[in-house]
Amino acid sequence: QKEVEQDPGPLSVPEGAIVSLNCTYSNSAFQYFMWYRQYSRKGPELLMYTYSSGNKEDGRFTAQVDKSSKYISLFIRDSQPSDSATYLCARSGKGKLTFGQGTILTVHP
Amino acid sequence: ETGVTQSPTHLIKTRGQQVTLRCSSQSGHNTVSWYQQALGQGPQFIFQYYREEENGRGNFPPRFSGLQFPNYSSELNVNALELDDSALYLCASSLNVRSLAPQAPLHFGNGTRLTVT
Repeated sequence: QKEVEQDPGPLSVPEGAIVSLNCTYSNSAFQYFMWYRQYSRKGPELLMYTYSSGNKEDGRFTAQVDKSSKYISLFIRDSQPSDSATYLCARSGKGKLTFGQGTILTVHP
Repeated sequence: ETGVTQSPTHLIKTRGQQVTLRCSSQSGHNTVSWYQQALGQGPQFIFQYYREEENGRGNFPPRFSGLQFPNYSSELNVNALELDDSALYLCASSLNVRSLAPQAPLHFGNGTRLTVT
């Protein structure tokens, strides 16, 4: 079992839709969780960072962590074509991040 | 504030050759990590350098080695290149307060695309 499993997608949604991206993790020893966005030919860009169960909101983005079920989600409201990218979830460990495989999202006008 | 910069952006090498990739960390960051990202996959941790010492290593063979310099810039060296080494190599920096702390958010460069033929 991989340490972090991510729904691979790809996802294709119309502009304005609510997008849900999901990951599960297997090791509950560490508490930091992150979401990165990666555009084509670019490095990952940090979107959200949280260290506790519950929701964290930043504009159109909401990160949700459920430690009891080891589930991580990212919600994007009012999705835009500029949100089209690969989304990576990551779990923090000692000295490293463990990433999911990424979900490719396309938002079409 | 300057971000993480990597060079070169693209590189083509032949199997068996050696390669050196370079990274300048974000201003104020003392820790550099290297990740390998194969096509269609998430980044995989290679190793981290904290205060010029290797501070953790992923499941990569010894032919992957690195250095961190006093200005916190870093190099990744790969010897005896194999076809499977073809990937995007990402450098990331962070500010860590101690060795092997739970990893703070990483700030990535745009990577070096290595192709081994």
